[in-house]
Amino acid sequence: DAKTTQPNSMESNEEEPVHLPCNHSTISGTDYIHWYRQLPSQGPEYVIHGLTSNVNNRMASLAIAEDRKSSTLILHRATLRDAAVYYCILRSYNTDKLIFGTGTRLQVFP
Amino acid sequence: EPEVTQTPSHQVTQMGQEVILRCVPISNHLYFYWYRQILGQKVEFLVSFYNNEISEKSEIFDDQFSVERPDGSNFTLKIRSTKLEDSAMYFCAAAGVRVGETQYFGPGTRLLVL
Repeated sequence: DAKTTQPNSMESNEEEPVHLPCNHSTISGTDYIHWYRQLPSQGPEYVIHGLTSNVNNRMASLAIAEDRKSSTLILHRATLRDAAVYYCILRSYNTDKLIFGTGTRLQVFP
Repeated sequence: EPEVTQTPSHQVTQMGQEVILRCVPISNHLYFYWYRQILGQKVEFLVSFYNNEISEKSEIFDDQFSVERPDGSNFTLKIRSTKLEDSAMYFCAAAGVRVGETQYFGPGTRLLVL
């Protein structure tokens, strides 16, 4: 399973943008980049995913480096409700299991 | 928005007892999963299930574990003889009609084995 590296923790103030980085230097050409988050005492929640191009949805944006060895999850305006552990996960095209790492714990301050 | 639900929310059992954890997936979803999270640790994949068969399982999913979808709606995880180390949050997830689609997780069942 391809490995991802994320900072253990990050901090942000409310209403500021947040950029959560993920390194995945061993990514293969058929690996999808998924982001999930886990709010306190809840199950993981899908945020966004992409393959090569940048992606936007109502929750966030995903910026993927041209060589695909890294990606950044962008929360455009952090809210207190965005405080969670964010997981960057590589999923191979031929499997649907998600392999979670330790993720980045995001703290948001008022 | 449709949700995955799980029952019970909490379960306490004695070591060696059997437990059944239940999940009601989103109605038109065809792919089902169980994950677990031991307190303070990572979320771990246990098993994936499609078309009434296990499609993939992890090393954790040994002979003590089984899954089934007995009535076409509920998706269950059975642990035959619980051990202390089975204490964890167990999350059910469901995905749509194609492999690799977004997985929607339930709120989890907290299992405590004494």
